Amino acid sequence: GAVVSQHPSRVICKSGTSVKIECRSLDFQATTMFWYRQFPKQSLMLMATSNEGSKATYEQGVEKDKFLINHASLTLSTLTVTSAHPEDSSFYICSACPGQTYEQYFGPGTRLTVT
Amino acid sequence: AQKITQTQPGMFVQEKEAVTLDCTYDTSDPSYGLFWYKQPSSGEMIFLIYQGSYDQQNATEGRYSLNFQKARKSANLVISASQLGDSAMYFCAMRPQGGSEKLVFGKGTKLTVNP
Repeated sequence: GAVVSQHPSRVICKSGTSVKIECRSLDFQATTMFWYRQFPKQSLMLMATSNEGSKATYEQGVEKDKFLINHASLTLSTLTVTSAHPEDSSFYICSACPGQTYEQYFGPGTRLTVT
Repeated sequence: AQKITQTQPGMFVQEKEAVTLDCTYDTSDPSYGLFWYKQPSSGEMIFLIYQGSYDQQNATEGRYSLNFQKARKSANLVISASQLGDSAMYFCAMRPQGGSEKLVFGKGTKLTVNP
């Protein structure tokens, strides 16, 4: 099946700093990628839809100025958590769709810890 | 609004036996897709099975089958011949109609397979 990678897999940062997470589709082009957030023992919550070449669409309640999304190419989307705080500590997962198919492939996730 | 309900926070099954994980959904869209994902402790989301709302037959993928009852709006996952490696979180998800591939997830069911 198609492969989606995320980098880094784990990151620890200090409060107030910014962290960038990369999501790459390795063997297919994805015009649309999705960013999810998952708190411990909870479900995945969609944060935003990342569209190549255009602005991301954010879900209600997600601060677009805090969670910056850039989808600069058909294989790369980045999520930047700006001025991170301990409450931003979570598991962030991206997914991508090859298009013309129902399948959606997830990255392995990034565990962010803000101290 | 679309909603996925998984009423079983946790399920236990003996190795080699079958288990059913429940999922009900709510949507007014005539066309939609239903998914099941497995999330082991490592965090990756593994696609298991897909059912389209207009599919006449229940989807099957190896030991996984989806018991789709459209009138009841249920899409239960049946795992046959459970294995120890099946122990994980299982999420039911729905892709609403409308051209977007974003997924709405249920809260998940933690399955534990006992030897």
